[in-house]
Amino acid sequence: EPEVTQTPSHQVTQMGQEVILRCVPISNHLYFYWYRQILGQKVEFLVSFYNNEISEKSEIFDDQFSVERPDGSNFTLKIRSTKLEDSAMYFCASSPLGYNEQFFGPGTRLTVL
Amino acid sequence: SQQGEEDPQALSIQEGENATMNCSYKTSINNLQWYRQNSGRGLVHLILIRSNEREKHSGRLRVTLDTSKKSSSLLITASRAADTASYFCATDDVGLGGGADGLTFGKGTHLIIQP
Repeated sequence: EPEVTQTPSHQVTQMGQEVILRCVPISNHLYFYWYRQILGQKVEFLVSFYNNEISEKSEIFDDQFSVERPDGSNFTLKIRSTKLEDSAMYFCASSPLGYNEQFFGPGTRLTVL
Repeated sequence: SQQGEEDPQALSIQEGENATMNCSYKTSINNLQWYRQNSGRGLVHLILIRSNEREKHSGRLRVTLDTSKKSSSLLITASRAADTASYFCATDDVGLGGGADGLTFGKGTHLIIQP
């Protein structure tokens, strides 16, 4: 069964460094999403992406964040200058259609020191 | 209360019993989805119910939706030890995403099935 995959599973970085989190959505899906979950808290929506552009973004998704679909398979989230409070589990999700089930990857645990 | 808020926060039952979890929300929705998360793992999609539906079944899962009360329930029948996990409701709120709306998650119900 097709799955969303994410790499790396765990990323440790120093405050102020740039990180790129990578996702490979399910191959025939058209809608892509990033979420984060700070330890012990709710899953929070960051951004959605469709037709090669951002469709919706939350207040969390400020100028430090960017997303890209550099080729036909990868979907990346970049954090330009990480802060301690960016430490969280980051989940990628994809969906074949709008207003539909979203299928989540296993997540990347980001630790900012 | 916040959008997509589940209750109870924790539920412990014996294997074989039924487990019911509730979710309340505040806004207009396109659909409501339930997810399961095992400790430290990813989110597994369980079931989606659209705003014009009132009840949906999938295997041992039964979901209801009452849009007038802005609430949903998830019933797991004949629970098993493997059902131990956190369960989240997530709403696809009517918004500007044009089909690419982000989901709004609740805090979840932690379900423990005792063998």
